[in-house]
Amino acid sequence: GQNIDQPTEMTATEGAIVQINCTYQTSGFNGLFWYQQHAGEAPTFLSYNVLDGLEEKGRFSSFLSRSKGYSYLLLKELQMKDSASYLCAVRDRGTTNKLIFGTGTLLAVQP
Amino acid sequence: KAGVTQTPRYLIKTRGQQVTLSCSPISGHRSVSWYQQTPGQGLQFLFEYFSETQRNKGNFPGRFSGRQFSNSRSEMNVSTLELGDSALYLCASSFQVMDTEAFFGQGTRLTVV
Repeated sequence: GQNIDQPTEMTATEGAIVQINCTYQTSGFNGLFWYQQHAGEAPTFLSYNVLDGLEEKGRFSSFLSRSKGYSYLLLKELQMKDSASYLCAVRDRGTTNKLIFGTGTLLAVQP
Repeated sequence: KAGVTQTPRYLIKTRGQQVTLSCSPISGHRSVSWYQQTPGQGLQFLFEYFSETQRNKGNFPGRFSGRQFSNSRSEMNVSTLELGDSALYLCASSFQVMDTEAFFGQGTRLTVV
């Protein structure tokens, strides 16, 4: 089966660091994506990991461990505008762009 | 360059009707994927098209269909609408298959009454 788990909600303080975890059990794996989605808007691409390790992009970093079926998204120096849903998605096996999404983590950044 | 364009943005239909949604990908992109987003289920994969060919189909009933044209624009059709089809329908555009990025459109919010 295909299963991607993320916490439903998280709360953090402006200026702090937050880590959003994602665990997956899928029949195939061709990369893991993180997207940000503000209410009423389209998901926007944040990061892509296909090999184990950390990918850093500004205030955002994403980590992958394929052997553990685990990823996290790290957000540093939190800003109010980071309040959004964060979606973890695994690309299915085969030559495809098909993504299997978790239900997302709603992050609330408080002053 | 222009992003992914989905039309219409909002749609209200009654049960039993059919609906056609449109997606114009980013210029030069040939891969289009469709997703249904609902509060309880999150984003669920519907179809994937590349160069006018359906490469993948999700676990949705046959009432859901789609196609892609030679200019890479894609349409999806839902026939015999049910209340449960109310959702945000998103399309994602990529340059190629196995791309490392996908760009989403704003979506079409379909409400079935």
